[in-house]
Amino acid sequence: KAGVTQTPRYLIKTRGQQVTLSCSPISGHRSVSWYQQTPGQGLQFLFEYFSETQRNKGNFPGRFSGRQFSNSRSEMNVSTLELGDSALYLCASSLDGTVQGYTFGSGTRLTVV
Amino acid sequence: SQKIEQNSEALNIQEGKTATLTCNYTNYSPAYLQWYRQDPGRGPVFLLLIRENEKEKRKERLKVTFDTTLKQSLFHITASQPADSATYLCASPRGDSNYQLIWGAGTKLIIKP
Repeated sequence: KAGVTQTPRYLIKTRGQQVTLSCSPISGHRSVSWYQQTPGQGLQFLFEYFSETQRNKGNFPGRFSGRQFSNSRSEMNVSTLELGDSALYLCASSLDGTVQGYTFGSGTRLTVV
Repeated sequence: SQKIEQNSEALNIQEGKTATLTCNYTNYSPAYLQWYRQDPGRGPVFLLLIRENEKEKRKERLKVTFDTTLKQSLFHITASQPADSATYLCASPRGDSNYQLIWGAGTKLIIKP
């Protein structure tokens, strides 16, 4: 079966711009979580969606937002980009939460210049 | 605050030997712990999950233990191979949320031929 697909794989943006990242989960998975990974901070939880509802949110500013569609595909948006937003953004899907273990996509490498 | 700590220094092991990685948690009692493998530029890949009432779990050359007294999980790779070289991450749900994972920073494992 197809894995978790994240697009685009790489992105370069300028400070102040906004960006939208996309994630298509494994078919049948209804939970999608987003993480930011940086060398200094490791994996930091952004938010989790289940059946189009945001169920959990991490400690990120309001510039970071997301949504989930009826087909479980998810997008995350970052507005007013800052240099510190440069990171690998990972999407993970699971049937329902985390007990079974996530399946991650390959991530989107965002560079803000 | 709830925290997971892994040895941030790289672990160098001779091929054929057993590699042992450590994950310590503080200020909470996770119901389970998960171990993932991450290769450079890729998303983490789920390996094993161990629950608090399980002392040990095995999968092929992998073994995970969970010691709630020591607040520690050990991850072992027996008969290690150069292909096992990667960063290994430990994660668990936050104490107040079953849908948000806390992650260790990961330990880089290098298997030398």
